[in-house]
Amino acid sequence: EIVLTQSPVTLSLSPGERATLSCRASQSVSSFLAWYQQKPGQAPRLLIYDAFNRATGIPARFSGSASGTDFTLTISSLEPEDFAVYYCQHRTNWRITFGQGTRLEIK
Amino acid sequence: EVQLVESGGGLVQPGGSLRLSCAASGFTFNIYWMTWVRQAPGKGLEWVANINQDGSEKYYVDSVKGRFTISRDNAKNSLYLQMNSLRAEDTAVYYCAREYYDSSGYYYPIDYWGQGTLVTVSS
Repeated sequence: EIVLTQSPVTLSLSPGERATLSCRASQSVSSFLAWYQQKPGQAPRLLIYDAFNRATGIPARFSGSASGTDFTLTISSLEPEDFAVYYCQHRTNWRITFGQGTRLEIK
Repeated sequence: EVQLVESGGGLVQPGGSLRLSCAASGFTFNIYWMTWVRQAPGKGLEWVANINQDGSEKYYVDSVKGRFTISRDNAKNSLYLQMNSLRAEDTAVYYCAREYYDSSGYYYPIDYWGQGTLVTVSS
C-alpha cells in the first residue's frame, strides 16, 4: 500500500510570497499524482493532475513538479484566497490514497 | 453543469444503519467510476469506497469492509452507500465524487465533488 507523506504540516507565509508544498510517496507512483485545495466548509478542488498538469480554470501561479517519488506543488505568488489546506492524492489500481494535508496559513 | 448532490446523512446510534444517496446530473454518469470519500471533523480526506462504470467492481477501505456497501443505478444516475454497524469513528462528512478510469488505463482523478452529507454516530 502506497503512503503519501506531506510536508510541512503547516506553512506560514504572507501574500505575495512563494509557497512550496511537498508530497513524498513510499514507492513509485509514476506521475499519477494529483493536488487538491480545500477551504473550510467546502469540498476539495482539483488543482493539478498527473503531477504537472493544471486542471481546468486553475490559475498559472499553481504549478506541479516531480523528482522520483518526491512531488512539489508551488504557488508562485500567494493571493489571499490561496490560504487553505492542500492534499496530494494517488490511485493505484482501485485504491485511492490521500496525503495528510498541508495547512497554508497567513503569517 | 456537473452536479453531485448527496442526501441521507444524519444522527444515528452506534450499531445503526444509514443509506446515503448521491444524485448526479450534467454528465454521462455511466462512463465514470464513482467514489465515496469521507472527512472526520477537523481531519483529512479518507477514501471509503469506489465502484466502476457498470457496478461489477466494488472496492472498500479495510475499516469499512463487511459493513458498508456501495452501489449505483445508472438508469437513475444515482450512487448509494449503505452503511451498517456504524461506529463512532465513522462520524464524518461523506462526499460523493466522480473519477475517470477506462479500460485503456487512462485515469483522470476526482474532478467533481458533492457538497457532502454529515453522518454523526453517537448515543
